[in-house]
Amino acid sequence: DIQMTQSPSTLSASVGDRVTITCRASQTISNWLAWYQQKPGKAPKLLIYQASSLESGVPSRFSGTGSGTEFTLTISSLQPDDFATYHCQHYNSYSYTFGQGTKVEIK
Amino acid sequence: PQLQESGPGLVRPSETLSLTCTVSSGSISSSSYHWAWVRQPPGKGLEFLGSIYYTGTTYYNPSLKSRVTVSVDMSKNQFSLRLSSVTAADTAVYYCARPSGDHYYGMDVWGHGTTVTVSS
Repeated sequence: DIQMTQSPSTLSASVGDRVTITCRASQTISNWLAWYQQKPGKAPKLLIYQASSLESGVPSRFSGTGSGTEFTLTISSLQPDDFATYHCQHYNSYSYTFGQGTKVEIK
Repeated sequence: PQLQESGPGLVRPSETLSLTCTVSSGSISSSSYHWAWVRQPPGKGLEFLGSIYYTGTTYYNPSLKSRVTVSVDMSKNQFSLRLSSVTAADTAVYYCARPSGDHYYGMDVWGHGTTVTVSS
């Protein structure tokens, strides 16, 4: 089975910072990768799919890159509403695998 | 489209957890979507449990495969989760979600989640 590993587990940042989160796959997964934002007590929200496609309504400060085994989610200028936990997710033949999550905290 | 989980919030150890997800504003028989169950134990990450396509094709997390069943009822526009022989480790928030083919099977719609506690 493919494993998804996110880093870091926790990230402390300030409003206006550029933030990058990494997700690594244990084997190549092409671009079958999605990113989610989750706030406490809420369901995850789809931000990015197909590794780099921005979901409708998601601010353009969010971007995704990568292919193969290494992927990144970048927030170009961190806003107060962006403090949350971010998850990556891989899809393969009806199976879905999540990373362990990255919590973005206020510095 | 909206998804809504329903089911008991408390399950006894060794019993079977049963949840239903009702799909509103859209047909569960659409060829564009799968239907999935995801859970999140307190303070932990997201875990995929199982998924189903309207044809009845299912896939289960190998770590839970012997205990998980996902089914669909197209007449009610619902899909369901059964998890047998539960223990305290199955205490979690359970979400139903819609992986979308238009989104490379990113899950674009989620239920609000329902908390299930396993305790005697």
